[in-house]
Amino acid sequence: GAVVSQHPSWVICKSGTSVKIECRSLDFQATTMFWYRQFPKQSLMLMATSNEGSKATYEQGVEKDKFLINHASLTLSTLTVTSAHPEDSSFYICSANIGAGRETQYFGPGTRLLVL
Amino acid sequence: AQKITQTQPGMFVQEKEAVTLDCTYDTSDPSYGLFWYKQPSSGEMIFLIYQGSYDQQNATEGRYSLNFQKARKSANLVISASQLGDSAMYFCAMRENDKLSFGAGTTVTVRA
Repeated sequence: GAVVSQHPSWVICKSGTSVKIECRSLDFQATTMFWYRQFPKQSLMLMATSNEGSKATYEQGVEKDKFLINHASLTLSTLTVTSAHPEDSSFYICSANIGAGRETQYFGPGTRLLVL
Repeated sequence: AQKITQTQPGMFVQEKEAVTLDCTYDTSDPSYGLFWYKQPSSGEMIFLIYQGSYDQQNATEGRYSLNFQKARKSANLVISASQLGDSAMYFCAMRENDKLSFGAGTTVTVRA
C-alpha cells in the first residue's frame, strides 16, 4: 500500500524555538495532505488541509501564524511550529489524500513534540 | 456538534472472544464514508475497514466487520476471535468532502 513518512519521529526543543516537521508521500503524489494534532488519550483533531501550490486551509481555532504549512511539491508538506511553547507539546500526524474510495487517506507514523 | 460519537471509553475482552465497538455519526450529506482505525501505543494509525454510504452490504475485512445501520446512523465495529495484539485504541471516523472527523476513541484491552 501507499506509504507516508514523517520526519522527525520525535523532537525535544526549548520554549521559543521553531520546529519543522516533514510529511512525505513516498510512492504516490498527493495533491492534498492533512495535519492532525493529538493530545494524550484524546482523539485526532484536524488542524489544516495542505494543498499543493496554494495556501493551506486552517480549521477554526488553529493559528495560521503559529502553525505554518508549506506544500511545495506533490510529495512533501511541512508543518512549522513557530515559537513553540510547552502547550504545543503533542503528537502531530499527517495524512496524504490519494483520492476517493475506501482508503482515502494514508497516515504517517507521527511526530512527538516535547517543548521544554 | 459532534459528528462522530463513541460512547465506550474502554473495553475489556477475553482472548478469542468477539467484541463490538459502538459508533454513531451525524451528517446531512447523502455521500459519506465511514472508517475504523486502530492506533497501538506506537501511535501509528492503521486502517481497518471502510463503509461507503451507498454500500448495500456490510463491509468485512478478515476478523473485522462493520455493522452498518444507515437509518440509525450507526457503524459499529465487530472484532471476532480477539488476539492479544488487538489491544489498542480504536477510532471511528467519517469522511465528508475529503476531511476526516474522528470519534473520541475506545481503548480495547484483550485479556489472556
